[in-house]
Order: sequence, then C-alpha cells, then structure tokens
Amino acid sequence: GDSVTQMEGPVTLSEEAFLTINCTYTATGYPSLFWYVQYPGEGLQLLLKATKADDKGSNKGFEATYRKETTSFHLEKGSVQVSDSAVYFCALIHNYGQNFVFGPGTRLSVLP
Amino acid sequence: DAGVTQSPTHLIKTRGQQVTLRCSPKSGHDTVSWYQQALGQGPQFIFQYYEEEERQRGNFPDRFSGHQFPNYSSELNVNALLLGDSALYLCASSAARDSYYEQYFGPGTRLTVT
Repeated sequence: GDSVTQMEGPVTLSEEAFLTINCTYTATGYPSLFWYVQYPGEGLQLLLKATKADDKGSNKGFEATYRKETTSFHLEKGSVQVSDSAVYFCALIHNYGQNFVFGPGTRLSVLP
Repeated sequence: DAGVTQSPTHLIKTRGQQVTLRCSPKSGHDTVSWYQQALGQGPQFIFQYYEEEERQRGNFPDRFSGHQFPNYSSELNVNALLLGDSALYLCASSAARDSYYEQYFGPGTRLTVT
C-alpha cells in the first residue's frame, strides 16, 4: 500500500537558519502531495500542496517541489522563525481516493 | 463562517467503555472523514461518510463505527475501549463537488483511555 516517510525529529534550529525536512513516498500512479502543519493543541492546517510532477508548492516562505523521479517532496524554508515551531506532516492522496496517507511527522523547534 | 468543529475537546474513559465523538462540518460541506492520531504519529484514516453512508474505510476493527446525519454532521463511536485507543481523533470535512484534496480538519478530540 501507499506510504510516506519523513526524516526523524526533533529538528532544532536557531532563528533565521535554513530548514529542510525530507519526505519520500511510495505509491502507485501519481498522487498529489501535501505538507500540513500542526501547532501545539491544534488540528492540522494545510501548508502547501503540489498536484503533479515538477509542481512547486509554496506558502508563508515554505516551498516544496514534487520530484517524481526521486518520489520526494522535501520541505524547505530559507529563514525560520520561532513561530514556525510545530509538527510538520507530509501526506499524499490519489485523485481516485478519498483519504490522505500521512507520514509520522517531524517536530521542529526554533530557538531565538 | 465556522470551520470544522468537534466535541468534546477532551475525554477520559475506562477500558471496556464506549465513547461517541461528534463532528460538525464546515458550512457547505457534505462529506466527513475521521482520522486517529496516536501520540507521536501521523493521522491514520478510519472512515469517510457521504450521503449518510460509509464510503470508504481504513484498516480499523469493527469496534469503530460511525454515522452521518441529514445535516451532514457525523459521529464516531468506539466500543470496548482499549488502552491503545488513546489518541487525538480528527475530523475532516469536504464537499463532493470540490477537488478531492480540499479537506479541512477540525481541532480534534483528545481521548484518554485508562
């Protein structure tokens, strides 16, 4: 079945550092790929998405590119802020399916 | 416009008991999905309801059941609770007419089984 793998956390960075969180997937066909963020005590918020190969999703300074050849969707941000501290989930969904498949999440802590 | 709402926020139950969690979808949405998020893990799909029918189900035992009402709100029922059922239960709503990935998540219900 489909699966999503993420780099293990926690990831601890200083403010203004560069962020990369790796995500790779295993799936049949060409799913759409997503990054969700979960702040403490809250539900999931969509951060960005890409629905086909080579698409780049971007939002709030975060970006990720759908790489079909490496089945990857790595999340990057050039300069993190303390307010970016959260858990980040990579996920996929097929256009014929109704449910997301999520990775295990990566906790990010940004120190001032 | 209220987003997806869930109740209760927190719940403590004893092993063997039964629990009911509730979800009200975002206005205009007719489809509700339920996910279980164990501590330190990603959400796992339980099932989805559309037109008051279970449309798709994940790999969860029959102890997990659901219902959707004519107003599109939904309930998740778990019978014979186990310690391993302790988790954050997330509800996501969507509209069948929208893109398949346009799902909005609620804040969740934290269930603790002792």
